[in-house]
Amino acid sequence: IAGITQAPTSQILAAGRRMTLRCTQDMRHNAMYWYRQDLGLGLRLIHYSNTAGTTGKGEVPDGYSVSRANTDDFPLTLASAVPSQTSVYFCASRRNYNSPLHFGNGTRLTVT
Amino acid sequence: KQEVTQIPAALSVPEGENLVLNCSFTDSAIYNLQWFRQDPGKGLTSLLLIQSSQREQTSGRLNASLDKSSGRSTLYIAASQPGDSATYLCAVDGSGNTPLVFGKGTRLSVIA
Repeated sequence: IAGITQAPTSQILAAGRRMTLRCTQDMRHNAMYWYRQDLGLGLRLIHYSNTAGTTGKGEVPDGYSVSRANTDDFPLTLASAVPSQTSVYFCASRRNYNSPLHFGNGTRLTVT
Repeated sequence: KQEVTQIPAALSVPEGENLVLNCSFTDSAIYNLQWFRQDPGKGLTSLLLIQSSQREQTSGRLNASLDKSSGRSTLYIAASQPGDSATYLCAVDGSGNTPLVFGKGTRLSVIA
């Protein structure tokens, strides 16, 4: 089934540890996005990529990095996790700006 | 900076009722507007996408309208069912390759 796969589904992480959240899509979409969703704050954009080889900063990029080596994969790395990064992380993609946005099922991350 | 507001934050209706969810945005220079549904513990699912040149889009019991000049969109759900219970989010696309800006959503409960 075509779509977006995120891994892991959930993770408990000690503060200070490094963590990479994985995101893979098989729809050959050009643009990919990472959002975090927090109660009361809604969805906030962390980083995005309009096409392979390019990335951009969103609303809350500090403490996170991304890469887009190919069309399908868009990993999100937390270099040194802090408790404020406890959240649900969603990866999304779309073919172009006039196409519907598709979401993965999310990664629930707890930083202790 | 584009801001998207959804009122009310939560809504409870009896089964069979027709209902309207509201979305407003501050900058009318948009390319499109999308409505999404999110079930608990899941990612978002795109319901309807309205291009800036369109006034409305329909899918089954759902009808979304767009009034760019007033910065408003509505999602009309006809003959609501308990299965419609979910959080509904709207998002606007401000320009070609910039990411969508999301509202915080309306949590809908349809009571059997």
